[in-house]
Amino acid sequence: GAGVSQSPSNKVTEKGKDVELRCDPISGHTALYWYRQSLGQGLEFLIYFQGNSAPDKSGLPSDRFSAERTGGSVSTLTIQRTQQEDSAVYLCASDAGPASSYGYTFGSGTRLTVV
Amino acid sequence: QKEVEQDPGPLSVPEGAIVSLNCTYSNSAFQYFMWYRQYSRKGPELLMYTYSSGNKEDGRFTAQVDKSSKYISLFIRDSQPSDSATYLCAMSLSGGSNYKLTFGKGTLLTVNP
Repeated sequence: GAGVSQSPSNKVTEKGKDVELRCDPISGHTALYWYRQSLGQGLEFLIYFQGNSAPDKSGLPSDRFSAERTGGSVSTLTIQRTQQEDSAVYLCASDAGPASSYGYTFGSGTRLTVV
Repeated sequence: QKEVEQDPGPLSVPEGAIVSLNCTYSNSAFQYFMWYRQYSRKGPELLMYTYSSGNKEDGRFTAQVDKSSKYISLFIRDSQPSDSATYLCAMSLSGGSNYKLTFGKGTLLTVNP
């Protein structure tokens, strides 16, 4: 596609429920990133996928968070048993990997509110 | 101490003013430095990147890096109301693939007509 597409754009969920956030990267981009942006905070790295390599999950804040990337394209970030502190904007970005010119392309994010 | 410190503002200037935005960092291993602009309810978009100390200019924007002081700046000349946004500095340990950027919290800028 022309840009990075994220869905839903907004999600309100009850505490304790599971949520799935979807990211559709730019076609042909091999690298995909998830970041979290909380109110008053900078972007916080969550996870990185590069081609068929094992993902870098070092930024996931707890085992309630997981992500997968199917077929090297679409990615889903899953948050289980959501807590109020999970409320944030979840941003996905992609780039063409090691051969790319510099600069991620971000999606517009999913605004998650846990009530 | 956070790895990257950025004054959150808010910063309000009149149209045509020169704007200076700054970040300091503590990790001397950072090699690549970027500035992103983020409009409300949008994702960040890359404005400038540099990997060496000194200045880099692109139109009305100038990015400055001082690795010895661990200090980076973004200058906006002849600021316009359309420049009103949050500006985020970011940096990484390596180049090529962008990989795991460390961001400042962002500075909210308003340019008044």
